[in-house]
Amino acid sequence: DAGVIQSPRHEVTEMGQEVTLRCKPISGHDYLFWYRQTMMRGLELLIYFNNNVPIDDSGMPEDRFSAKMPNASFSTLKIQPSEPRDSAVYFCASSSGLSGANVLTFGAGSRLTVL
Amino acid sequence: GNSVTQMEGPVTLSEEAFLTINCTYTATGYPSLFWYVQYPGEGLQLLLKATKADDKGSNKGFEATYRKETTSFHLEKGSVQVSDSAVYFCALSDGPGGNTPLVFGKGTRLSVIA
Repeated sequence: DAGVIQSPRHEVTEMGQEVTLRCKPISGHDYLFWYRQTMMRGLELLIYFNNNVPIDDSGMPEDRFSAKMPNASFSTLKIQPSEPRDSAVYFCASSSGLSGANVLTFGAGSRLTVL
Repeated sequence: GNSVTQMEGPVTLSEEAFLTINCTYTATGYPSLFWYVQYPGEGLQLLLKATKADDKGSNKGFEATYRKETTSFHLEKGSVQVSDSAVYFCALSDGPGGNTPLVFGKGTRLSVIA
């Protein structure tokens, strides 16, 4: 398996633009997580899905953020409009409920810079 | 709520030195405990885990023992190598079933010099 695939790896955009980050989880994994990593706040859980259904989105900062999982092999995290304080590395991770949802496989991350 | 506190870095060691990275936790139940490692430019990957008190997790020469009495899960390695340079994250998952999201510490950056 190629692991968790995230795109783009790097994104530089201007304030106010829409940003879409994409994730392909490992085939057969039924949990998908979106995390945000910053120097100040460390790793924060934004939202997670089980069998494509959002379970907990309490970590999503505000209405500018939205996440979808239309099928078992694809998820998106959208920021609209983007702001400089959204600059961070965004990680997608997946896991199998059979082995415990906390044994995560992470993607390489998408580094977002909002100017 | 649940939380994890790690020693602040960065930690700089010479090759073959002994490593300890402290981690303490706060949890309402009986959490599972984890150490994840992040190498430069990569995502996190599981290093080791322990699911109940007194369990010892180990991998690649790293060890950590789940100490319920001190609510700690300190990471140790007897002889570090340059290739161990990375950021190390302590994490917990509340509940023995394991199907709950991880709460991470802020990470400790380790640099090993030859």
